Amino acid sequence: GAVVSQHPSRVICKSGTSVKIECRSLDFQATTMFWYRQFPKQSLMLMATSNEGSKATYEQGVEKDKFLINHASLTLSTLTVTSAHPEDSSFYICSASASGFTASSYEQYFGPGTRLTVT
Amino acid sequence: AQKVTQAQTEISVVEKEDVTLDCVYETRDTTYYLFWYKQPPSGELVFLIRRNSFDEQNEISGRYSWNFQKSTSSFNFTITASQVVDSAVYFCALSDLYNTDKLIFGTGTRLQVFP
Repeated sequence: GAVVSQHPSRVICKSGTSVKIECRSLDFQATTMFWYRQFPKQSLMLMATSNEGSKATYEQGVEKDKFLINHASLTLSTLTVTSAHPEDSSFYICSASASGFTASSYEQYFGPGTRLTVT
Repeated sequence: AQKVTQAQTEISVVEKEDVTLDCVYETRDTTYYLFWYKQPPSGELVFLIRRNSFDEQNEISGRYSWNFQKSTSSFNFTITASQVVDSAVYFCALSDLYNTDKLIFGTGTRLQVFP
């Protein structure tokens, strides 16, 4: 149980275009989903936290107009990178948590990540 | 401010060696959670352990063991008799009790286990 999927796993897009990444909780309802960004050989940096049906909370320094997050249902959150540029190339990872889901209520379940390359 | 430091960027060992990954944290909170995650080459983070600040007992799970010492703000991770499949990046993370979803990650330690 507690599986989180991401789609696509890899995407290459041209500079100036937008790309959407989906994050789904497959066997549980995620009250909260998180989006992280990871540069090569670096740590995970939290970009934003989203709760179903409400606006995402962005971390300091993250452009909310560039990284659009939608958490339309308890099983789906999307991250759209608008007008992507080469510096947006990174590994994007989502995670989901569900209070009271299991004894591990405080556990985040991570997706497999999406590698974005902007050319 | 909360901070997690993993001073070892890369460690290389030969199979069957024991290896300890260090984690030092900073927090002003009296109650908090500490985590270890494994990130294999595939990229997906694998949860290994969560420990709350009230529980300083060491934990052992198979070849894995964790040493939590509040006095030194450390939460070290030891792999006994390492195997090639242990090769991965290991992250230590911290969250506070009231915002348990917000994880602060260390920079990770890349472990390479050679046959």
